[in-house]
Amino acid sequence: DAGVIQSPRHEVTEMGQEVTLRCKPISGHDYLFWYRQTMMRGLELLIYFNNNVPIDDSGMPEDRFSAKMPNASFSTLKIQPSEPRDSAVYFCASSGFDRTGFVYGYTFGSGTRLTVV
Amino acid sequence: AQRVTQPEKLLSVFKGAPVELKCNYSYSGSPELFWYVQYSRQRLQLLLRHISRESIKGFTADLNKGETSFHLKKPFAQEEDSAMYYCALSPPAGLTGGGNKLTFGTGTQLKVEL
Repeated sequence: DAGVIQSPRHEVTEMGQEVTLRCKPISGHDYLFWYRQTMMRGLELLIYFNNNVPIDDSGMPEDRFSAKMPNASFSTLKIQPSEPRDSAVYFCASSGFDRTGFVYGYTFGSGTRLTVV
Repeated sequence: AQRVTQPEKLLSVFKGAPVELKCNYSYSGSPELFWYVQYSRQRLQLLLRHISRESIKGFTADLNKGETSFHLKKPFAQEEDSAMYYCALSPPAGLTGGGNKLTFGTGTQLKVEL
């Protein structure tokens, strides 16, 4: 398995533009997470899905942020309109549960470095 | 509310010196605890989890429920240990609806100097 795949690796955009980040989780994992990493706040959980359904989006900073998971192998995080303070590294992660209820394979993607100018 | 605190943003040690990265947590119950490592501009990788009681790359972490701590230790630091280290917790295994949602600390940058 190629692991969790994110695209693009780097994105530079102008303030006000729409930005779409993409994530392909590991096949068979039924949880998908979106995190944001900044120097000031470290890693913040934005939203996570279970079996393609959003479970907790309380970490989404504001209405400009939205996330979808149309199927088990693809998720997007969209920012519209983007602002300079959105500049950060955005990570996607996926995981599953084994039959005893233990987490397994919690794996992060390589991240998307977003710069909004 | 669950919270993970890593009090040091930066820890600088000399090669061969012992390392201790501090982590304290707040959770009403018995969470699962993890340490993740992020080498420069790379993805986060799981270093170890408390239920495994394993030692990875010479690192160990002991869960102290009385002090609600999960400090990461290594007796002799190596140059290649320089990285960002994150402590994280999740609700206990078996919980539904968020059983493996990770809450991270703000991270500690470890710098090993020659």
